[in-house]
Amino acid sequence: KNQVEQSPQSLIILEGKNCTLQCNYTVSPFSNLRWYKQDTGRGPVSLTIMTFSENTKSNGRYTATLDADTKQSSLHITASQLSDSASYICVVSQTGTASKLTFGTGTRLQVTL
Amino acid sequence: DGGITQSPKYLFRKEGQNVTLSCEQNLNHDAMYWYRQDPGQGLRLIYYSQIVNDFQKGDIAEGYSVSREKKESFPLTVTSAQKNPTAFYLCASSQQGLYGYTFGSGTRLTVV
Repeated sequence: KNQVEQSPQSLIILEGKNCTLQCNYTVSPFSNLRWYKQDTGRGPVSLTIMTFSENTKSNGRYTATLDADTKQSSLHITASQLSDSASYICVVSQTGTASKLTFGTGTRLQVTL
Repeated sequence: DGGITQSPKYLFRKEGQNVTLSCEQNLNHDAMYWYRQDPGQGLRLIYYSQIVNDFQKGDIAEGYSVSREKKESFPLTVTSAQKNPTAFYLCASSQQGLYGYTFGSGTRLTVV
């Protein structure tokens, strides 16, 4: 069964600190992995998209890594800001059809003063 | 600005009523999707459409219906047959062959 598991489920950090969110997947055949940021009551916004051949991609203070061999990805947030408080969702796509996305349940991040 | 517009942002439904959620995109994307989001769960696919006048059921289509008469529009009707409709509904679109999705801002539906 295709699954995407994220950890931790929730996280609280102080402003200015770094953090790393984890994503493990069993989706096959693998096409690409995406990280989204979702503010409460809003739609998800894309942060990064990585294909099989890419093992790291950055978007400002967000850096995603992908290990396709171990089927693991991480999202590292550097120098966190209050505006980083949101849910971060890992999404894995299968090859062959644009409709087949498997969503993780997300990590809820809260950045505090 | 190109994007996806969902309306209304909040919707209240009485039991036994059908309601329709609007989704409009001006990105010229071929494919459009409807997802349902519940607390503690990942997004689940309700329906998707890859071209005009064609759509397919997703994983949880029971109690929902859609139409795709125009490329820009993909409305979702939540029928009275959907026994637990209270949820956050997200519309998305993508261009065929690309792996980027764009999501709308969502509609929160509550049964009263």
